Amino acid sequence: QKEVEQDPGPLSVPEGAIVSLNCTYSNSAFQYFMWYRQYSRKGPELLMYTYSSGNKEDGRFTAQVDKSSKYISLFIRDSQPSDSATYLCAMNAAGGGNKLTFGTGTQLKVEL
Amino acid sequence: AAGVIQSPRHLIKEKRETATLKCYPIPRHDTVYWYQQGPGQDPQFLISFYEKMQSDKGSIPDRFSAQQFSDYHSELNMSSLELGDSALYFCASRGGGLKDTQYFGPGTRLTVL
Repeated sequence: QKEVEQDPGPLSVPEGAIVSLNCTYSNSAFQYFMWYRQYSRKGPELLMYTYSSGNKEDGRFTAQVDKSSKYISLFIRDSQPSDSATYLCAMNAAGGGNKLTFGTGTQLKVEL
Repeated sequence: AAGVIQSPRHLIKEKRETATLKCYPIPRHDTVYWYQQGPGQDPQFLISFYEKMQSDKGSIPDRFSAQQFSDYHSELNMSSLELGDSALYFCASRGGGLKDTQYFGPGTRLTVL
């Protein structure tokens, strides 16, 4: 079983919808949580970075972490066709300097 | 803002050949990470360097080696290439802040024929 589980999708939503992306993890040592967006054949682009339970908002994006349930989420409000990409959750252990462990990525398509 | 630079962006090699991938981290970042991403897969950690010393090692084959130089750029050397080495290779860099995170380059697409 992978340390980080993520539904691969694909997830298709209409423009303007609220998108919910989720990951669960099993390693309680993970303390730092990231969401990356990856367009086809491009490098992962950091969207959100958080290290505490609760919500963190940045524009249309909200990252939510529940360490007690080992569950993290990314919400995208007012989704746009340009949001169509693969979204990868990633996390690492305390100290922040260690290797990232990724989820498999969720492929999102926002349709007009 | 300056980002991570990787070269070359695309590389085609024959089986059993060697390849060298280069990574130039964001200025003032002292830690470099290498990841391999196969088709439809998530990035897998290979190796990392902090202040020119290897800091962590993942699923990197013995045929691969890497180092970080005095200017903090890093090179991934791959020998006796196999078909299964065809993948996207990403470099990421990280600054010195305790709670800083990794920023990825655009990747090098390696195709082994």
